[in-house]
Amino acid sequence: AQKITQTQPGMFVQEKEAVTLDCTYDTSDQSYGLFWYKQPSSGEMIFLIYQGSYDEQNATEGRYSLNFQKARKSANLVISASQLGDSAMYFCAMREDYNFNKFYFGSGTKLNVKP
Amino acid sequence: DGGITQSPKYLFRKEGQNVTLSCEQNLNHDAMYWYRQDPGQGLRLIYYSQIVNDFQKGDIAEGYSVSREKKESFPLTVTSAQKNPTAFYLCASREGQGINQPQHFGDGTRLSIL
Repeated sequence: AQKITQTQPGMFVQEKEAVTLDCTYDTSDQSYGLFWYKQPSSGEMIFLIYQGSYDEQNATEGRYSLNFQKARKSANLVISASQLGDSAMYFCAMREDYNFNKFYFGSGTKLNVKP
Repeated sequence: DGGITQSPKYLFRKEGQNVTLSCEQNLNHDAMYWYRQDPGQGLRLIYYSQIVNDFQKGDIAEGYSVSREKKESFPLTVTSAQKNPTAFYLCASREGQGINQPQHFGDGTRLSIL
């Protein structure tokens, strides 16, 4: 079974609007961490936001927030007030405590911000 | 500035040739990783290393080899046994063992077959 599933290969959003990128995960571990990365066309991977499985509050970092629904095993990324520079691939990743050296990545969502 | 440096940015391999991708970090991170990314796909783990002189196979290690003789360096060799090496290769490092520690990535190397 896939550890991380991102079901939206591509998304469009109008500049200044909010957009939600979906991520579901599969683990039987109680302790795990969820990460979102941005990959612009140049290729580098930029860490955006982290959510721990025991965190009671949804993580926020500037315009990025994470809608964490533990029972549903989902960790959706919300980008508020989209900017043209947000156009990129976005990857969801997970790390489990029992195998903490390994990160599992989803297949990514390509976000296009329209002016 | 602290960071991860991958070189070269672009690399071309001839049939039957081994090539080595460089990854150097000055972040003093213990763990280092190599990933392969095919067009429109996610990242697949090739090898990782937790400490010097130790490394573990990832999901797609066949046709690749690594070494970790220094903390700062984790070179990846793409051998002639790797029949489809054309891909984008990313090196990453991680600061500590805490579950909240993200990976930090280099800018990648694009490898193509001549």
